[in-house]
Amino acid sequence: EVQLVESGGGLVQPGGSLRLSCTASGFTFSSYWMHWVRQAPGKGLVWVSRINSDGSIDGAHTIYADSVKGRFTISRDNAKNTLYLQMNSLRADDTAIYYCVRDRVDCSGGTCYNWFDPWGQGTLVTVSS
Amino acid sequence: QSVLTQPPSASATPGQRVTISCSGSNSNIGSNIVNWYQQLPGTAPKLVIYSNNQRPSGVPDRFSGSKSGTSASLTISGLQSEDEADYYCAAWDDSLNGWVFGGGTKLTVL
Repeated sequence: EVQLVESGGGLVQPGGSLRLSCTASGFTFSSYWMHWVRQAPGKGLVWVSRINSDGSIDGAHTIYADSVKGRFTISRDNAKNTLYLQMNSLRADDTAIYYCVRDRVDCSGGTCYNWFDPWGQGTLVTVSS
Repeated sequence: QSVLTQPPSASATPGQRVTISCSGSNSNIGSNIVNWYQQLPGTAPKLVIYSNNQRPSGVPDRFSGSKSGTSASLTISGLQSEDEADYYCAAWDDSLNGWVFGGGTKLTVL
């Protein structure tokens, strides 16, 4: 069974840091791009970041939403089947459930199409003094 | 303010058909596929339609999707009480270089 389990959420003060982890099982983790998506309490889904399968941390292999660029860093350890999100300079509006999501792709028609499946259960991050 | 526009709510009685719309622009829906996610109360989102109109295995054929121009829609036929959930559309945005979601539609089964 494909499973994604997030951890590392909690209460942090504004300006603080937190590192989220997502442990994957049931599939070949190193073959898939991965994402973080967040959801503020009572609000909709917002995409945060994506990392390609080889985990290279450079401009070509990681992308971020403008709202977190320069503050959040996505990374992965394929040997540990784990995805990370390092969150620095946290603000109150970063308060949300953070979901780890696997990227699926279909390039059979010549053009590649992507979607998110499955989603982890999420971990809650609360930024408050 | 979400990049993709969905009605905040929809409702129908069991057995009826309901359609949820998702409106975007040339940089997202107009040039990329649309995916739909269902979020039951208190749970993580789940994929129900990908690549505009494809159903993942395990999703009932009551769920269907379509896309035309810069708009897409999700239709649920033969509505059941367990379909009561929030539904989100999503697409890649070429201008923003990232994924964008609709604000979500809360479906109530009366």
